[in-house]
Amino acid sequence: QVQLVESGGGVVQPGGSLRLSCAASGFTFSNYGMHWVRQAPGKGLEWVAVIWYNGAYKYYADSVKGRFTISRDNSKNTLYLEMNSLRGEDTAVYYCARDLESRYYDSWGQGILVTVSS
Amino acid sequence: EIVLTQSPGTLSLSPGERATLSCRASQSVSSSYLAWYQQKPGQAPRLLIYGASSRATGIPDRFSGSGSGTDFTLTISRLEPEDFAVYYCQHCSKSPPITFGQGTRLEIK
Repeated sequence: QVQLVESGGGVVQPGGSLRLSCAASGFTFSNYGMHWVRQAPGKGLEWVAVIWYNGAYKYYADSVKGRFTISRDNSKNTLYLEMNSLRGEDTAVYYCARDLESRYYDSWGQGILVTVSS
Repeated sequence: EIVLTQSPGTLSLSPGERATLSCRASQSVSSSYLAWYQQKPGQAPRLLIYGASSRATGIPDRFSGSGSGTDFTLTISRLEPEDFAVYYCQHCSKSPPITFGQGTRLEIK
């Protein structure tokens, strides 16, 4: 079955960097667009970034543009999110999600917590 | 950017009652790109409805979606104890940004 497993979260100081990974299994990873979505403690869902199935296009939320980079390695079935210049407001659970024809997310990872604090 | 506004913010109902959740878009959207998710505490969101009215695999038929243009509705016909959760609508797109509503919390009365 489809499985998405995030890793790489933790506590980082303001201004620091972190790289999240999302390991995919149970489907042909290279056929699907992939997203990162985050959720601050007690808050709603916020879309972060998307990368097309072949990596040709990437889009970002304004709140992370210029600081975060989404990438993928289809040979390793893995999605990444490189996060730089982290701020307190980036503290959240980060989810990776698979999209179906850019219409909806049919599979989500379990989420990984990123805490930005001194 | 399309803004999705969900109402009410919190809905208090009893098991067996009917729940009606609203999602209003700031401009007309294609129904094909409107989805609903359920999220329980400590869990990832789960897809309920896609294309405004199609149930995802394994979703009970007490869940239904409707609407078009700017007004969409998620209806739960007879609430079960496991349905009390937070519900989000989403507008997905080939042209981001992708947006979510702020959520409706469905709580036991």
